[in-house]
Amino acid sequence: GDSVTQMEGPVTLSEEAFLTINCTYTATGYPSLFWYVQYPGEGLQLLLKATKADDKGSNKGFEATYRKETTSFHLEKGSVQVSDSAVYFCALSGGSGGSYIPTFGRGTSLIVHP
Amino acid sequence: GAGVSQSPSNKVTEKGKDVELRCDPISGHTALYWYRQSLGQGLEFLIYFQGNSAPDKSGLPSDRFSAERTGGSVSTLTIQRTQQEDSAVYLCASSLGQGKLLTEAFFGQGTRLTVV
Repeated sequence: GDSVTQMEGPVTLSEEAFLTINCTYTATGYPSLFWYVQYPGEGLQLLLKATKADDKGSNKGFEATYRKETTSFHLEKGSVQVSDSAVYFCALSGGSGGSYIPTFGRGTSLIVHP
Repeated sequence: GAGVSQSPSNKVTEKGKDVELRCDPISGHTALYWYRQSLGQGLEFLIYFQGNSAPDKSGLPSDRFSAERTGGSVSTLTIQRTQQEDSAVYLCASSLGQGKLLTEAFFGQGTRLTVV
């Protein structure tokens, strides 16, 4: 079945540092890929998405590129802020067997210090 | 409503009691999903509804768990004879439907269930 693997957290950075959170997936076909963010005390919300190979999703200074050759969708931001502290989830849907039920990774906690 | 609404936001129950968790999806969203989020774990898929039917119940952990959806809208997740291992945050999400371009899921804030 489909699966998503993301790097273990927590990731701890100083403000203005460069962020990368790795995400790789296993699925046949051409799934859509997503990053969701969960701020403390809040529900998950969509951060960005990409629906086909080589697409780049971007939002709020974050970006991720759909790389089919490496089955990856790494999240990057050039300069993080304290307000970016949250848990980030990589997800896919529309992979094997035509299932569109979103499959999520375990989440990566990001802590940004002033 | 404007977003996915879940109630209650917090529920503390005694072991062995039954609980009902409610999800009110975004109006017009035909697909509805229940997930469970335990401390240190990712999102565990429980059940998926398309309209009122549940084509995929594969994630329900035991026969103590059941869910229904009525009128293609509100869904209720019921846990019977709760156990301490049921303690988790239960998340509901909805999306416009199935199909590659309609799979963005919108989440509620969750119900934090604590079994004591």
